[in-house]
Amino acid sequence: SQTIHQWPATLVQPVGSPLSLECTVEGTSNPNLYWYRQAAGRGLQLLFYSVGIGQISSEVPQNLSASRPQDRQFILSSKKLLLSDSGFYLCAWRGARGTDTQYFGPGTRLTVL
Amino acid sequence: QKEVEQDPGPLSVPEGAIVSLNCTYSNSAFQYFMWYRQYSRKGPELLMYTYSSGNKEDGRFTAQVDKSSKYISLFIRDSQPSDSATYLCAATGNQFYFGTGTSLTVIP
Repeated sequence: SQTIHQWPATLVQPVGSPLSLECTVEGTSNPNLYWYRQAAGRGLQLLFYSVGIGQISSEVPQNLSASRPQDRQFILSSKKLLLSDSGFYLCAWRGARGTDTQYFGPGTRLTVL
Repeated sequence: QKEVEQDPGPLSVPEGAIVSLNCTYSNSAFQYFMWYRQYSRKGPELLMYTYSSGNKEDGRFTAQVDKSSKYISLFIRDSQPSDSATYLCAATGNQFYFGTGTSLTVIP
């Protein structure tokens, strides 16, 4: 069965510090991968998605970036965090054969102080 | 207009009640519809998945899609305190579109 991992689970970072969140998927190959941010009462905001290694599409221009160095690894980064980057970050995967469901990881709660 | 609209609630019901959660969507081309359950500080968990119109039942949960009115529903029978969570609806076209979630509390 497929499993999706995210770490760290929680993170408290000062403004201006760098960020690296990691997501890995097990039990599937060539998945479509997604990064979302969830703010209270505002639903899920799609940040990035990837259909393959090195292929990243950005949905929201901001100080965040994403990379996919391996088939089942998706990384969310920032060089300098802003207060507004605080939120709950979720990684998700979708089956490469076009199964129209998404499966989410456990999330990372980021607080920028 | 958002692609998927959902009443945020909150919704509070006594244990054993029937719960009805609803969403509307705007694009008639959507064909896949999902419900997710999200406990506090956890990632959303896929609960139900339906294709096109009709009903799908899984234990105490029934998902219903009415494409003529662009209406998505989730019914929970014999609700339990463990059902207390936020429920997200979603639809897919070229992308995934999510509702903002309805917060449900089942009171023992």
